[in-house]
Amino acid sequence: GAVVSQHPSRVICKSGTSVKIECRSLDFQATTMFWYRQFPKQSLMLMATSNEGSKATYEQGVEKDKFLINHASLTLSTLTVTSAHPEDSSFYICSNSGDEQFFGPGTRLTVL
Amino acid sequence: AQKVTQAQTEISVVEKEDVTLDCVYETRDTTYYLFWYKQPPSGELVFLIRRNSFDEQNEISGRYSWNFQKSTSSFNFTITASQVVDSAVYFCALSRGGTSYGKLTFGQGTILTVHP
Repeated sequence: GAVVSQHPSRVICKSGTSVKIECRSLDFQATTMFWYRQFPKQSLMLMATSNEGSKATYEQGVEKDKFLINHASLTLSTLTVTSAHPEDSSFYICSNSGDEQFFGPGTRLTVL
Repeated sequence: AQKVTQAQTEISVVEKEDVTLDCVYETRDTTYYLFWYKQPPSGELVFLIRRNSFDEQNEISGRYSWNFQKSTSSFNFTITASQVVDSAVYFCALSRGGTSYGKLTFGQGTILTVHP
């Protein structure tokens, strides 16, 4: 069964609003989780590393003030897309940091 | 910098054919890990295999097999007797070891279509 879950699976929002995406580790504790973004028909790009109890680390070119990451517990990391714009429309996927690198089912964000 | 290249953008085969998906990687690290994932139309990434840089043994799992060759920096994936259900996008990925483990660099992906 799945070891990482995400919610919601799909979200449509208006431009300028903020959207929160949850990533949960099931049956295990995750001090570290990763967030990726995938544009249509493209590959996955690592956005940031979510660290439980401390600040996230962002990859070069990713705006930390736009993509807020919170990892307040060992089973939950959240990604908030603030003031979303149409260019933020994408597939957002999280993963654990274990040996087999399981990914969540993804969240498809559409910003109108 | 790390890089993964999947030169085949799309492959189309007929059911029961064997198909090989190529993956070439670049890294300066001596310790690294290679992965293959399958992404069906639903979007969810399905883990297929992980290999570390010190283990060059080929691996077989059912109809799937992997050929890891450090001499050519390649980690190719073969599906034997392909089936329609194998149709998906396949990604090869690379991770550094140590504290950077898990930060994956993905290839561009290969779209595999298996026709009945």
